[in-house]
Amino acid sequence: TAGITQAPTSQILAAGRSMTLRCTQDMRHNAMYWYRQDLGLGLRLIHYSNTAGTTGKGEVPDGYSVSRANTDDFPLTLASAVPSQTSVYFCASSEPFRGGGFLETQYFGPGTRLLVL
Amino acid sequence: GESVGLHLPTLSVQEGDNSIINCAYSNSASDYFIWYKQESGKGPQFIIDIRSNMDKRQGQRVTVLLNKTVKHLSLQIAATQPGDSAVYFCAENIEEDTGRRALTFGSGTRLQVQP
Repeated sequence: TAGITQAPTSQILAAGRSMTLRCTQDMRHNAMYWYRQDLGLGLRLIHYSNTAGTTGKGEVPDGYSVSRANTDDFPLTLASAVPSQTSVYFCASSEPFRGGGFLETQYFGPGTRLLVL
Repeated sequence: GESVGLHLPTLSVQEGDNSIINCAYSNSASDYFIWYKQESGKGPQFIIDIRSNMDKRQGQRVTVLLNKTVKHLSLQIAATQPGDSAVYFCAENIEEDTGRRALTFGSGTRLQVQP
């Protein structure tokens, strides 16, 4: 199995343009996540989805939107890119927290490196 | 706000030595901790986890120690190998007010293994 795939691998984007980062998982995990990773900082959660049809805001959601039409795909859209969105973006998936249990391990994709000029 | 942090940004060790990477956390409500390894150009990879009702957990060449009294977490790597060179992140997992469980990541420690 491929696990989690992300596309594109990297992208240079002009400020003001829109872009969708793609994420697909083949593990049939219910939960999916988008993080951004900036130099000197850890991973910060942008948006998440506990199951198909639902989404939620993470720590840094402004300027980003997501959708979860099915279990496998979780695209991240930048409607009007700004230079501060230059970052490495990681998609992750996991089985959701079950009552009495713990968050299962999150599996990460290889990342998309985005440069907004 | 409360956060997860790391004591040392870079750790350099000789091949074959043991490595210890430290992490401090400040949220006493955290009840589950994870260590991730991130190699250059790749996504984070799960290494080992530990629950708050445990003090120690061992994996293959790795051991995680949890000291809840001082809110400290450490990752020990035995007989460090060149392939261990990477950035290591600790992450804490807590239940938010909404009932959702969230991961908060530290900023990472770079481990450099010298031949």
